[in-house]
Amino acid sequence: KAGVTQTPRYLIKTRGQQVTLSCSPISGHRSVSWYQQTPGQGLQFLFEYFSETQRNKGNFPGRFSGRQFSNSRSEMNVSTLELGDSALYLCASSLWGTSGPSSYEQYFGPGTRLTVT
Amino acid sequence: QKEVEQNSGPLSVPEGAIASLNCTYSDRVSQSFFWYRQYSGKSPELIMSIYSNGDKEDGRFTAQLNKASQYVSLLIRDSQPSDSATYLCAVLAGTASKLTFGTGTRLQVTL
Repeated sequence: KAGVTQTPRYLIKTRGQQVTLSCSPISGHRSVSWYQQTPGQGLQFLFEYFSETQRNKGNFPGRFSGRQFSNSRSEMNVSTLELGDSALYLCASSLWGTSGPSSYEQYFGPGTRLTVT
Repeated sequence: QKEVEQNSGPLSVPEGAIASLNCTYSDRVSQSFFWYRQYSGKSPELIMSIYSNGDKEDGRFTAQLNKASQYVSLLIRDSQPSDSATYLCAVLAGTASKLTFGTGTRLQVTL
């Protein structure tokens, strides 16, 4: 079974621009979560989608948004980029509770490394 | 108080020794616990999950859970240099549809 894929893998943007990142979950997984990882803050939860609905959102400004499509693929968008948005953005997919406790296991994609200059 | 706490390390152990990684959590209704390994520059990789009190073994890895003490640990037996990585503890709490991660413990296995 193919793993979680994320595109693009690397991105360089300038302040003020916007960016869209894409995530394709493992086949059959309907939950997609997004995280931001920086050296100082660790893994910070952005939001989680399940069957096209955002069920949970982390403590990030409204510049960070996301969506999920009917095929479970997800995108996240960051508008008006700031230098502090430079990070590794990770998406993870899971079955999320649809079949016992092991269905909460999240599997990560390779990440998109965003550099804002 | 942080929701999930880990010692940042580095934890240095000689090759062949047992590495013991610890994690404490604050939410008493937490129900599922996970250990991820992350190599530098890579994404986290799930290595163990545990849901009930006691020990769970998988190869050289043993996860231990004590819900009364709100404590979960990961033991790595016969540590190898390839085990050198950051180990992240993650907790699923209550009805929240998200995992909360600790900041990770960096493990160094020395020759």
